Amino acid sequence: GAVVSQHPSWVICKSGTSVKIECRSLDFQATTMFWYRQFPKQSLMLMATSNEGSKATYEQGVEKDKFLINHASLTLSTLTVTSAHPEDSSFYICSATLAGGAYEQYFGPGTRLTVT
Amino acid sequence: DAKTTQPNSMESNEEEPVHLPCNHSTISGTDYIHWYRQLPSQGPEYVIHGLTSNVNNRMASLAIAEDRKSSTLILHRATLRDAAVYYCILRDTSGTYKYIFGTGTRLKVLA
Repeated sequence: GAVVSQHPSWVICKSGTSVKIECRSLDFQATTMFWYRQFPKQSLMLMATSNEGSKATYEQGVEKDKFLINHASLTLSTLTVTSAHPEDSSFYICSATLAGGAYEQYFGPGTRLTVT
Repeated sequence: DAKTTQPNSMESNEEEPVHLPCNHSTISGTDYIHWYRQLPSQGPEYVIHGLTSNVNNRMASLAIAEDRKSSTLILHRATLRDAAVYYCILRDTSGTYKYIFGTGTRLKVLA
Protein backbone atom coordinates (compact mmCIF):
# COMPACT_ATOMS: atom_id res chain seq x y z
CA GLY A 1 0.00 0.00 0.00
CA ALA A 2 0.80 3.74 0.06
CA VAL A 3 2.02 4.01 -3.52
CA VAL A 4 2.69 7.37 -5.12
CA SER A 5 3.21 7.76 -8.85
CA GLN A 6 4.55 10.61 -10.94
CA HIS A 7 4.08 11.37 -14.58
CA PRO A 8 6.08 11.81 -16.65
CA SER A 9 9.19 10.10 -15.32
CA TRP A 10 11.31 12.32 -17.51
CA VAL A 11 10.69 15.25 -19.81
CA ILE A 12 12.75 17.45 -22.09
CA CYS A 13 11.39 20.84 -23.03
CA LYS A 14 12.58 23.98 -24.72
CA SER A 15 13.39 27.15 -22.86
CA GLY A 16 10.34 29.35 -22.44
CA THR A 17 7.76 26.58 -22.51
CA SER A 18 5.74 25.22 -19.60
CA VAL A 19 5.77 21.71 -18.25
CA LYS A 20 3.22 19.96 -16.02
CA ILE A 21 4.15 17.16 -13.66
CA GLU A 22 1.48 15.00 -12.05
CA CYS A 23 1.64 13.33 -8.67
CA ARG A 24 -0.94 10.70 -7.76
CA SER A 25 -1.60 8.67 -4.65
CA LEU A 26 -2.73 5.36 -6.10
CA ASP A 27 -4.21 3.48 -3.18
CA PHE A 28 -4.90 6.06 -0.52
CA GLN A 29 -6.30 9.52 -0.06
CA ALA A 30 -3.74 12.22 0.57
CA THR A 31 -4.76 15.34 2.43
CA THR A 32 -1.35 16.85 1.96
CA MET A 33 1.22 16.56 -0.79
CA PHE A 34 4.69 18.02 -0.88
CA TRP A 35 6.91 19.01 -3.79
CA TYR A 36 10.69 18.80 -3.66
CA ARG A 37 13.50 19.64 -6.02
CA GLN A 38 16.85 17.90 -6.07
CA PHE A 39 19.94 18.97 -7.96
CA PRO A 40 22.72 16.47 -8.74
CA LYS A 41 24.68 15.31 -5.69
CA GLN A 42 22.51 17.42 -3.41
CA SER A 43 19.77 16.73 -0.92
CA LEU A 44 16.06 17.24 -1.44
CA MET A 45 14.84 20.79 -1.05
CA LEU A 46 11.22 21.35 -0.10
CA MET A 47 9.48 23.68 -2.54
CA ALA A 48 5.90 23.76 -1.31
CA THR A 49 3.20 22.10 0.74
CA SER A 50 -0.08 21.43 -1.01
CA ASN A 51 -3.36 20.79 0.77
CA GLU A 52 -6.38 19.51 -1.11
CA GLY A 53 -8.73 22.28 -2.08
CA SER A 54 -6.58 25.14 -0.86
CA LYS A 55 -3.65 27.21 -2.04
CA ALA A 56 -0.18 25.80 -1.73
CA THR A 57 2.26 27.13 0.83
CA TYR A 58 5.62 27.89 -0.73
CA GLU A 59 8.98 27.79 1.01
CA GLN A 60 11.01 30.95 1.18
CA GLY A 61 12.77 31.69 -2.08
CA VAL A 62 10.46 29.59 -4.26
CA GLU A 63 8.59 31.64 -6.86
CA LYS A 64 4.93 30.77 -6.66
CA ASP A 65 4.19 32.32 -10.06
CA LYS A 66 6.82 30.15 -11.68
CA PHE A 67 5.99 26.89 -9.95
CA LEU A 68 2.21 26.57 -10.04
CA ILE A 69 0.77 23.90 -7.79
CA ASN A 70 -2.77 22.58 -7.95
CA HIS A 71 -4.22 19.99 -5.57
CA ALA A 72 -7.71 19.52 -6.90
CA SER A 73 -8.47 16.13 -5.38
CA LEU A 74 -7.32 13.83 -2.60
CA THR A 75 -5.35 11.76 -5.09
CA LEU A 76 -3.85 14.27 -7.49
CA SER A 77 -1.51 17.23 -7.28
CA THR A 78 0.17 18.92 -10.21
CA LEU A 79 3.27 21.07 -10.48
CA THR A 80 3.57 23.32 -13.53
CA VAL A 81 6.93 24.87 -14.27
CA THR A 82 6.11 27.97 -16.27
CA SER A 83 8.46 29.62 -18.74
CA ALA A 84 11.10 27.02 -17.99
CA HIS A 85 14.77 27.90 -18.22
CA PRO A 86 17.86 25.67 -18.20
CA GLU A 87 18.43 26.45 -14.52
CA ASP A 88 15.07 24.79 -13.77
CA SER A 89 16.50 21.48 -14.94
CA SER A 90 16.32 19.24 -11.93
CA PHE A 91 14.81 16.13 -10.38
CA TYR A 92 11.34 16.92 -9.06
CA ILE A 93 9.89 14.62 -6.41
CA CYS A 94 6.48 14.66 -4.79
CA SER A 95 5.29 12.99 -1.62
CA ALA A 96 1.92 12.41 -0.04
CA THR A 97 0.60 11.82 3.44
CA LEU A 98 -2.28 9.57 4.40
CA ALA A 99 -5.49 11.29 5.33
CA GLY A 100 -5.98 10.72 9.04
CA GLY A 101 -2.79 8.75 9.31
CA ALA A 102 0.39 9.29 11.28
CA TYR A 103 1.65 11.65 8.58
CA GLU A 104 4.58 9.65 7.24
CA GLN A 105 5.35 10.85 3.76
CA TYR A 106 5.31 8.45 0.84
CA PHE A 107 7.44 9.55 -2.06
CA GLY A 108 6.95 9.29 -5.77
CA PRO A 109 9.69 8.02 -8.08
CA GLY A 110 10.58 11.51 -9.28
CA THR A 111 10.50 13.37 -12.60
CA ARG A 112 13.67 14.37 -14.38
CA LEU A 113 13.20 17.72 -16.13
CA THR A 114 15.72 18.90 -18.69
CA VAL A 115 15.28 22.33 -20.22
CA THR A 116 17.25 22.96 -23.41
CA ASP B 1 12.87 23.85 11.93
CA ALA B 2 14.91 21.37 13.90
CA LYS B 3 18.06 20.24 12.14
CA THR B 4 19.90 16.97 11.87
CA THR B 5 23.60 16.27 11.41
CA GLN B 6 24.92 13.12 9.77
CA PRO B 7 28.33 12.02 8.50
CA ASN B 8 28.68 12.58 4.78
CA SER B 9 29.68 9.03 3.99
CA MET B 10 30.29 5.62 5.52
CA GLU B 11 31.51 2.27 4.30
CA SER B 12 30.57 -1.20 5.36
CA ASN B 13 31.43 -4.71 4.35
CA GLU B 14 28.69 -6.90 3.00
CA GLU B 15 26.94 -9.12 5.56
CA GLU B 16 28.17 -6.97 8.46
CA PRO B 17 26.07 -4.66 10.64
CA VAL B 18 26.03 -0.94 9.94
CA HIS B 19 25.35 1.80 12.45
CA LEU B 20 24.38 5.12 10.91
CA PRO B 21 24.42 7.98 13.43
CA CYS B 22 22.34 11.14 13.49
CA ASN B 23 22.55 14.12 15.83
CA HIS B 24 19.48 16.25 16.47
CA SER B 25 20.34 18.30 19.52
CA THR B 26 17.52 20.83 18.95
CA ILE B 27 14.77 18.22 18.80
CA SER B 28 11.54 19.18 20.50
CA GLY B 29 9.43 16.90 22.64
CA THR B 30 6.92 16.11 19.92
CA ASP B 31 9.27 15.66 16.95
CA TYR B 32 9.31 12.21 15.44
CA ILE B 33 12.58 10.86 14.05
CA HIS B 34 12.24 9.46 10.56
CA TRP B 35 14.75 7.63 8.40
CA TYR B 36 14.53 7.35 4.66
CA ARG B 37 16.94 6.13 2.05
CA GLN B 38 17.36 7.13 -1.56
CA LEU B 39 18.81 5.14 -4.41
CA PRO B 40 20.16 7.04 -7.44
CA SER B 41 17.44 8.61 -9.59
CA GLN B 42 14.66 7.39 -7.30
CA GLY B 43 12.43 8.95 -4.70
CA PRO B 44 13.21 8.39 -1.03
CA GLU B 45 12.04 5.14 0.51
CA TYR B 46 10.71 4.97 4.07
CA VAL B 47 12.89 2.94 6.41
CA ILE B 48 11.73 3.47 9.98
CA HIS B 49 10.56 6.07 12.47
CA GLY B 50 10.27 6.50 16.21
CA LEU B 51 9.55 8.96 18.99
CA THR B 52 11.19 7.81 22.21
CA SER B 53 11.53 4.06 22.30
CA ASN B 54 13.75 1.89 20.15
CA VAL B 55 11.97 0.48 17.12
CA ASN B 56 12.45 -2.57 14.95
CA ASN B 57 11.04 -3.54 11.60
CA ARG B 58 11.97 -5.89 8.80
CA MET B 59 14.36 -3.37 7.27
CA ALA B 60 16.22 -1.96 10.24
CA SER B 61 16.32 -0.98 13.89
CA LEU B 62 16.25 2.52 15.31
CA ALA B 63 18.01 3.23 18.56
CA ILE B 64 17.07 6.55 20.17
CA ALA B 65 19.19 8.10 22.91
CA GLU B 66 17.52 8.66 26.23
CA ASP B 67 17.76 12.45 25.85
CA ARG B 68 16.57 12.10 22.22
CA LYS B 69 19.39 14.30 20.98
CA SER B 70 20.77 11.54 18.81
CA SER B 71 19.69 8.34 17.15
CA THR B 72 21.25 5.47 15.25
CA LEU B 73 19.88 3.51 12.36
CA ILE B 74 21.06 -0.08 12.45
CA LEU B 75 21.15 -2.32 9.41
CA HIS B 76 21.79 -5.76 10.85
CA ARG B 77 23.40 -7.31 7.77
CA ALA B 78 24.32 -4.93 5.00
CA THR B 79 23.80 -6.07 1.43
CA LEU B 80 24.86 -4.45 -1.81
CA ARG B 81 21.26 -3.33 -2.26
CA ASP B 82 21.53 -1.25 0.90
CA ALA B 83 23.98 1.12 -0.77
CA ALA B 84 22.12 4.42 -0.79
CA VAL B 85 21.94 7.86 0.79
CA TYR B 86 20.31 7.62 4.20
CA TYR B 87 18.46 10.63 5.55
CA CYS B 88 17.56 11.25 9.17
CA ILE B 89 14.65 13.70 9.38
CA LEU B 90 12.75 15.31 12.19
CA ARG B 91 9.08 15.53 11.35
CA ASP B 92 7.71 18.94 12.10
CA THR B 93 4.71 18.54 14.41
CA SER B 94 3.86 22.21 14.65
CA GLY B 95 1.12 21.87 12.09
CA THR B 96 2.73 21.55 8.68
CA TYR B 97 4.27 18.08 9.16
CA LYS B 98 6.85 18.96 6.55
CA TYR B 99 10.25 17.29 6.27
CA ILE B 100 13.46 19.26 6.10
CA PHE B 101 16.13 17.06 4.57
CA GLY B 102 19.72 17.32 5.72
CA THR B 103 22.70 16.24 3.69
CA GLY B 104 22.32 12.55 4.52
CA THR B 105 24.91 9.78 4.73
CA ARG B 106 26.06 8.02 1.59
CA LEU B 107 26.53 4.37 2.50
CA LYS B 108 28.89 2.32 0.42
CA VAL B 109 28.74 -1.45 0.83
CA LEU B 110 31.81 -3.39 -0.11
CA ALA B 111 31.51 -6.90 -1.51
